[in-house]
Amino acid sequence: DAKTTQPPSMDCAEGRAANLPCNHSTISGNEYVYWYRQIHSQGPQYIIHGLKNNETNEMASLIITEDRKSSTLILPHATLRDTAVYYCIVRAISKSGYALNFGKGTSLLVTP
Amino acid sequence: EAQVTQNPRYLITVTGKKLTVTCSQNMNHEYMSWYRQDPGLGLRQIYYSMNVEVTDKGDVPEGYKVSRKEKRNFPLILESPSPNQTSLYFCASSFLGDNSPLHFGNGTRLTVT
Repeated sequence: DAKTTQPPSMDCAEGRAANLPCNHSTISGNEYVYWYRQIHSQGPQYIIHGLKNNETNEMASLIITEDRKSSTLILPHATLRDTAVYYCIVRAISKSGYALNFGKGTSLLVTP
Repeated sequence: EAQVTQNPRYLITVTGKKLTVTCSQNMNHEYMSWYRQDPGLGLRQIYYSMNVEVTDKGDVPEGYKVSRKEKRNFPLILESPSPNQTSLYFCASSFLGDNSPLHFGNGTRLTVT
C-alpha cells in the first residue's frame, strides 16, 4: 500500500468545519483512499472512502485532487465528539490480504 | 444491527495460561482479521482469513493461532501467553474487494502478568 503523510495534530473550534489533509503522492491507480477515526481506545470507525471522485456521506466529505496525490477529509460542523485520531489510508489488494497500514494519523481536538 | 462483536472486553491472565478471544460478525463478510495496538507502534495485523478454512499470517503472528471453521467466527488463540502480548486487540471484517471498508470490533484489552 502507498504511504500516507498527515499532520500529527490539529485543532478546530466546535461548529466550524474541520479540514484534515493527507498526502499520498505514491498512490497507484487501483488504490482507494480510506478514512477512519479512533476515539480514545475504541475500535477504529470507518468514515468514508473514494477512488477518484469526491464523496459525501452523513459523516463527512472526501475531496480527492485530480492527480490523486492528496485528499482532504471535511467534517462540516465539528462537535466535541469528533475529537479523535483520524487515519488516512490507501488500500489495494496485496499479498497480505486487506491489511491496513494505519500510520500515526492526525489527532484532532475540537474545542468549545 | 450490523456489528463485529469481541469478547471479553477486558482480560487479565497469567503467563502460560491458554486463552481465547472470540470474534463474531453478522454481516456475512468473507474477510476477517485480527490487529493488536500498542503505544508508539500503531495497529499491526496478526492474522487474517479470506474465507472459511483459509487463514494466513499478518505482520506479527508469533505466539498466536486462529481458526475459521465458520464464516461468522474468527477466534484468536494464545496457547501460552507472555507479558509481551499485553495489548489492545481488535477484530475486523469486510467483504472481499478494495471497495469494501473494514468494520472493527470494540476491542479486547489483554493484560498478561
